[in-house]
Amino acid sequence: KAGVTQTPRYLIKTRGQQVTLSCSPISGHRSVSWYQQTPGQGLQFLFEYFSETQRNKGNFPGRFSGRQFSNSRSEMNVSTLELGDSALYLCASSLAETGSHSPLHFGNGTRLTVT
Amino acid sequence: ILNVEQSPQSLHVQEGDSTNFTCSFPSSNFYALHWYRWETAKSPEALFVMTLNGDEKKKGRISATLNTKEGYSYLYIKGSQPEDSATYLCALWGYGQNFVFGPGTRLSVLP
Repeated sequence: KAGVTQTPRYLIKTRGQQVTLSCSPISGHRSVSWYQQTPGQGLQFLFEYFSETQRNKGNFPGRFSGRQFSNSRSEMNVSTLELGDSALYLCASSLAETGSHSPLHFGNGTRLTVT
Repeated sequence: ILNVEQSPQSLHVQEGDSTNFTCSFPSSNFYALHWYRWETAKSPEALFVMTLNGDEKKKGRISATLNTKEGYSYLYIKGSQPEDSATYLCALWGYGQNFVFGPGTRLSVLP
C-alpha cells in the first residue's frame, strides 16, 4: 500500500511569489492535515480537511490556504511568500473521520526555501 | 491555546541503557494523546495512540503510560539501540482543537 506522497520534495521561491504543494493520502484515507515545521519550532498545525471540507484551521494568516479534491488529494497554497515561510511542510492522512483516535500517517514533506 | 511540553529537550544514552521522557499537557483539555518517532531524513512514524487514563501501550522495547488527571505521559525505551536514535514527539488532541505537538525529545544512542 503506497504511503502518503508529497510533491515536490524541494522548492526555492522568492519573496512575493506564491507556491502550491500537493499531497496524496494513503488510499482509503479521507482526512488530510497539514503542518509546518520551522527551525526551533515544533510542528504547527495549519489545517485539516475531510471529504473536501475544511474542518479546522490553525493560527496562520490568510495567505495560507488549502483544498481537498474528491479523490482526497489535497493542495496547500501560500501566496505572497515571506522569508519566514521557509519551512518543512508535512502532510498527514488519517483513516478515521476524526484524527484524534487514529494515527497520522505522514509524507516525507516539502522543504520550501524563500529567498 | 494549548501548550504541550516535553522533557528533556535532548538525551544521550549508551547502547543498552533504558531511558524515559515526559510529555506534559493541560489535564482539563484532554481527548487523545499520540506519540511519534521522527528519524532524520524520514517522516514521523506513529508509535501509540492513547485515550484513557491509565492506558499503557507497548511496542517491542518501547512502552508508554498515560495519566490524564495530572496531565502527563511517559515514554520508556528498554535497552536502547542505536536505531532508536530519533526525535520523539507527543501530540495532544484537546476538546475543540486539533493536534498540538510538543517540541520533541531528541534521543541519541551511542554504540
